Amino acid sequence: EPEVTQTPSHQVTQMGQEVILRCVPISNHLYFYWYRQILGQKVEFLVSFYNNEISEKSEIFDDQFSVERPDGSNFTLKIRSTKLEDSAMYFCASSTGTGAYEQYFGPGTRLTVT
Amino acid sequence: AQTVTQSQPEMSVQEAETVTLSCTYDTSENNYYLFWYKQPPSRQMILVIRQEAYKQQNATENRFSVNFQKAAKSFSLKISDSQLGDTAMYFCASSKYNTDKLIFGTGTRLQVFP
Repeated sequence: EPEVTQTPSHQVTQMGQEVILRCVPISNHLYFYWYRQILGQKVEFLVSFYNNEISEKSEIFDDQFSVERPDGSNFTLKIRSTKLEDSAMYFCASSTGTGAYEQYFGPGTRLTVT
Repeated sequence: AQTVTQSQPEMSVQEAETVTLSCTYDTSENNYYLFWYKQPPSRQMILVIRQEAYKQQNATENRFSVNFQKAAKSFSLKISDSQLGDTAMYFCASSKYNTDKLIFGTGTRLQVFP
């Protein structure tokens, strides 16, 4: 069964550095998402992406964050200048439709900012 | 704003028994969706069951069923004939009708004992 994959599984970076988290959504999916979960807290929505543009973003998703689908298969989340509070598990998800359609989640990338 | 509350951080159940996980939510929307996602240890989050708010009939998927009480804003998950493979973190989530943004609860860790 097709799965969403994410790389790397764990990323350690220094404060102020740029980091790119990579995701490969399921191939026939059209809608893509990033969520994050700070340790001990809720999973939080960051951004949704459709037709090569952001369709919705949360207050967390400020100018330090950007998303891209560079080559038709990868979906990336870039954090330009990481902060300690960006340390979290980042989940990518994809779906074939909106609303009640299932979002298929990747295994997550654990980002540690030191 | 939509909120989702799961008041049971941890639950346990013996194999073959039935367990109910609680979820309450708050929304001002009339149309919305509710979901239960399962995250097994070190595995992807997967959809267990979904409910469309305009449907009065409770959703059922094999051993999993929900008790959807719209007036009380309650959406509990019942797992019948619990199996060891049901051991996981269970997240309740909601989304508005015209958006894909999932709002998650804090999760309930379910342990199934032999």
